[in-house]
Amino acid sequence: EPEVTQTPSHQVTQMGQEVILRCVPISNHLYFYWYRQILGQKVEFLVSFYNNEISEKSEIFDDQFSVERPDGSNFTLKIRSTKLEDSAMYFCASSPPLGQGAEGAEAFFGQGTRLTVV
Amino acid sequence: LAKTTQPISMDSYEGQEVNITCSHNNIATNDYITWYQQFPSQGPRFIIQGYKTKVTNEVASLFIPADRKSSTLSLPRVSLSDTAVYYCLVGDNSGNTPLVFGKGTRLSVIA
Repeated sequence: EPEVTQTPSHQVTQMGQEVILRCVPISNHLYFYWYRQILGQKVEFLVSFYNNEISEKSEIFDDQFSVERPDGSNFTLKIRSTKLEDSAMYFCASSPPLGQGAEGAEAFFGQGTRLTVV
Repeated sequence: LAKTTQPISMDSYEGQEVNITCSHNNIATNDYITWYQQFPSQGPRFIIQGYKTKVTNEVASLFIPADRKSSTLSLPRVSLSDTAVYYCLVGDNSGNTPLVFGKGTRLSVIA
């Protein structure tokens, strides 16, 4: 079964450092997402990406965050200057191009990257 | 986006059927109802999706009444490995509309 893969599984970084979280979505999917989950809290939407541009972003996704799809397969989330409160699990997800109202367009999630900012 | 309401937690013994009900009073005509499962330190995993009436797959059944203002996820004969958080989500499957997760229902299966 195809899956979304994320690397690294765990990243520890010092406050103020830049981190890049990497994801390889399922190959025929066209919609890509990043979510985060702070320990013990709910899964929060960060950003969606389609046709090489951001289609929607939440208020969490401020200027410190950016996304890229540099080579047609990888999808990355960059945090420019990490803060302690950025510590969380970050999940990448992708979904197929079935269009509005179509059944079967569920999102597939990766196993996540646990980011710890110290 | 339609908001969903579901119980915070449920307990069940192994082998029993578990039904988790979700309310989504403001569901839109184009919206589908989707349930995800999440184990600790893992990403959410799709369980089942439906638009109306009943949907069944190898894992669960989803019951949706005619007014679509609620839905019930049914897990037959749960085992300890079904202990997880279950999320009910509503959306139009367009891809451009991101999934909005609530707090979910924490199911604990007891031996």
